[in-house]
Order: sequence, then C-alpha cells, then structure tokens
Amino acid sequence: AQSVSQHNHHVILSEAASLELGCNYSYGGTVNLFWYVQYPGQHLQLLLKYFSGDPLVKGIKGFEAEFIKSKFSFNLRKPSVQWSDTAEYFCAVNAWGSGNTGKLIFGQGTTLQVKP
Amino acid sequence: AAGVIQSPRHLIKEKRETATLKCYPIPRHDTVYWYQQGPGQDPQFLISFYEKMQSDKGSIPDRFSAQQFSDYHSELNMSSLELGDSALYFCASSPTERGQETQYFGPGTRLLVL
Repeated sequence: AQSVSQHNHHVILSEAASLELGCNYSYGGTVNLFWYVQYPGQHLQLLLKYFSGDPLVKGIKGFEAEFIKSKFSFNLRKPSVQWSDTAEYFCAVNAWGSGNTGKLIFGQGTTLQVKP
Repeated sequence: AAGVIQSPRHLIKEKRETATLKCYPIPRHDTVYWYQQGPGQDPQFLISFYEKMQSDKGSIPDRFSAQQFSDYHSELNMSSLELGDSALYFCASSPTERGQETQYFGPGTRLLVL
C-alpha cells in the first residue's frame, strides 16, 4: 500500500530563513507527487506538482521541490520564508494503473510557523 | 477561474441525524473525490467518482453513501451521525486526462456533530 511520511511535524523559522520540508513515499510504481498548502481556516491549495520530466519543479510563491527517485523523496524548499508562509503543508502522492484510481494519499502534514 | 463549490460551508447536527453535503466540480471536470479531515489530521480519502460511476472507495463508513449526478455534481449522504464524524469534508475535482491529473479542492464543509 502507498504511504507518505513527512519528517517534520512542526517547524518554527524566522523570516528570511531557508526552508526545507522532507517528504518520503512508499510505492513501487509510477507516482505523481504534490505539495499542498493549507492556510489557517482555508482549503487545500496546490503549491506544486511533479508528473514527469525535470525532477526540480517550481511552484507558486517561490516554492520548489526536487524529486529524487532513488530516495523516494520529494522535499519542499524555499530560500527565504515570509510571515505569510505560516500554514500547514501536506505532501501527497497518487498513482494510476494496477488498480489505482488517482486518490491522493497525504502525509501527516507539517505546521510551519514563521516569526516576524 | 471557476473553482470547486461545496455547500453548505458549515453544518451543525445532532447525533443520529442525517446530513447531505454537496460538491459542484469545476466545469468539464468529470472526476470527483471526497476526503475527510479530522482535527489536526491529514485528509483521508473517502470515495471517488468518474463519469458518474464510483471509481474507488476508501475508509468510508457504511453509514455514508455518495453519488455523482448527470451534471457531475456529487452528494455525500451521512446518516446516523456520530460525534466522531465531526470533521472538515473536502471535495476535489479533476479533469479528464487520466494518469496526470491535478485535484483541485473546494473550501470544504465543516461538520459539527453535537
């Protein structure tokens, strides 16, 4: 069965600090990878996604992620965080074929708190 | 751009009551997914529909049922509500391309069972 693991449950940073959130997944086939952000009281918004091609993907608001197939990882990065980045971040994967129908499997989430 | 619409946004019910949550996907999206997010938890997949047929089923209680209608909107029916059903229920929709779909989430329905 697919699973997603996020290493950091709660991260506290000062503004302008660099961010890296870890995400590892478990699945033997081809997967699509996503990072979603959930601002307080709001719905999930797509930050970025990886389907194929260049393993370094860029998303909105200066976020990027790198897919490392050999490590089953898809870590999220941002060089300089802002107070407005305070939110919950979810890594998610889905798969197609072999009985998979595209449902998203989410990691446990990482709460990012950025201090002004 | 049009987004996924969910109604109602907030719902308060008593134990053992029933609730119906509605989801209107983005136009031309034919696939709908339902997720449940408990307090402080990650979203959990409940059920999905493709072209009005159920395509997958997750950890959805037998007390819940859902369907997708001819206009592609979907409804999640919840009966005999329990306190533990209090959660945020998200609907997501995706377009026709199979295998490389992005799911776009609605604002969610926050259900509180008293």
